[in-house]
Amino acid sequence: DGGITQSPKYLFRKEGQNVTLSCEQNLNHDAMYWYRQDPGQGLRLIYYSQIVNDFQKGDIAEGYSVSREKKESFPLTVTSAQKNPTAFYLCASSSPGQGGSYTQYFGPGTRLTVL
Amino acid sequence: QKEVEQNSGPLSVPEGAIASLNCTYSDRGSQSFFWYRQYSGKSPELIMFIYSNGDKEDGRFTAQLNKASQYVSLLIRDSQPSDSATYLCAVNILGSSASKIIFGSGTRLSIRP
Repeated sequence: DGGITQSPKYLFRKEGQNVTLSCEQNLNHDAMYWYRQDPGQGLRLIYYSQIVNDFQKGDIAEGYSVSREKKESFPLTVTSAQKNPTAFYLCASSSPGQGGSYTQYFGPGTRLTVL
Repeated sequence: QKEVEQNSGPLSVPEGAIASLNCTYSDRGSQSFFWYRQYSGKSPELIMFIYSNGDKEDGRFTAQLNKASQYVSLLIRDSQPSDSATYLCAVNILGSSASKIIFGSGTRLSIRP
């Protein structure tokens, strides 16, 4: 089955801890993304990567870090510098398609709660 | 002005009627437009995308794009209770990376029996 997997589904963090969220895709997509969603809000872009070993900051990168060592994997670390990390984190991937559009497909998400 | 704007709703539509969801965008050079459905507590799933002016139909769903008016809409015919969800409009913004898209904050749709 082709798709995007995220783990864990639920994550609890104590204040001051760094945590890493996993995202893996077997769709052979070049681009991968991390979004944050707060209750009743839209998606805000944290980081994205268009190619292995390269990534760009999104709109809310402060307090987060990423790596892209393999095409299939794009882990996100939520550092202690992120002051309000409790949110729903979504990973997506895409490749160029019809009309040049980059349709993004999402994983199931990780719900992070700071205790 | 937000780059992608949607009415937050909730939009209440009787079962069997047509639900009309609207989205406006600020960048006239935007190329590709997407509609996603998101059930509560779940991740967004793609309904359809459109990149040419006019209508695009897929089953009960029709996307409509008017680039001159900077307006994209989603029509859902024969609305079902299972259509109750938040619908996200997303747009590829000119000047950004070709692979980067901007999401609206979503419209909550409720189908009443």
